[in-house]
Amino acid sequence: KNQVEQSPQSLIILEGKNCTLQCNYTVSPFSNLRWYKQDTGRGPVSLTIMTFSENTKSNGRYTATLDADTKQSSLHITASQLSDSASYICASPGTPLVFGKGTRLSVIA
Amino acid sequence: KAGVTQTPRYLIKTRGQQVTLSCSPISGHRSVSWYQQTPGQGLQFLFEYFSETQRNKGNFPGRFSGRQFSNSRSEMNVSTLELGDSALYLCASSSPGTASYEQYFGPGTRLTVT
Repeated sequence: KNQVEQSPQSLIILEGKNCTLQCNYTVSPFSNLRWYKQDTGRGPVSLTIMTFSENTKSNGRYTATLDADTKQSSLHITASQLSDSASYICASPGTPLVFGKGTRLSVIA
Repeated sequence: KAGVTQTPRYLIKTRGQQVTLSCSPISGHRSVSWYQQTPGQGLQFLFEYFSETQRNKGNFPGRFSGRQFSNSRSEMNVSTLELGDSALYLCASSSPGTASYEQYFGPGTRLTVT
């Protein structure tokens, strides 16, 4: 069964600190893994899409890693800002797109 | 280029009623997918339409239906509403054939069933 699991479920960090969110997937066949940011009451916005051949991909202060052997991905946020407070969701195309339940990140001053 | 738009943004209905939600995809996108999002279940796939044809369907009861028009705009309908249908309904458009097949989400319609 195609599944995407995320941890932790929620996270609170101080502004300026770094954090790492985890995603494990069992989607087959694997084509890519996506990270989305969803602000409260809004639709998800794509942060990055990683294909099988990519190990690391950065988008500003966001860096995603992918280990296709262990079927794990992580999203690292550097120097967090209050505006990073959101849910972060990873997803991978099965048919259809399979989503994790997300990590709720709260950045506090 | 304008993003995905959804109307209405908020809706309150009573159990037993029906509701129709609308989604206008990004210009040129022919694929529209619908998702239900609840705090406990996350994003769950409802169905996907491409060129007016339903291409995939999730595990939802027949009360949930959709359609797509020739201009790629899509509607979804929920009949005989239940309290458990309260959720954020998201649509996403994409352009099949692109390398990433990336989906672009609308802001969602928040449905509350009382």
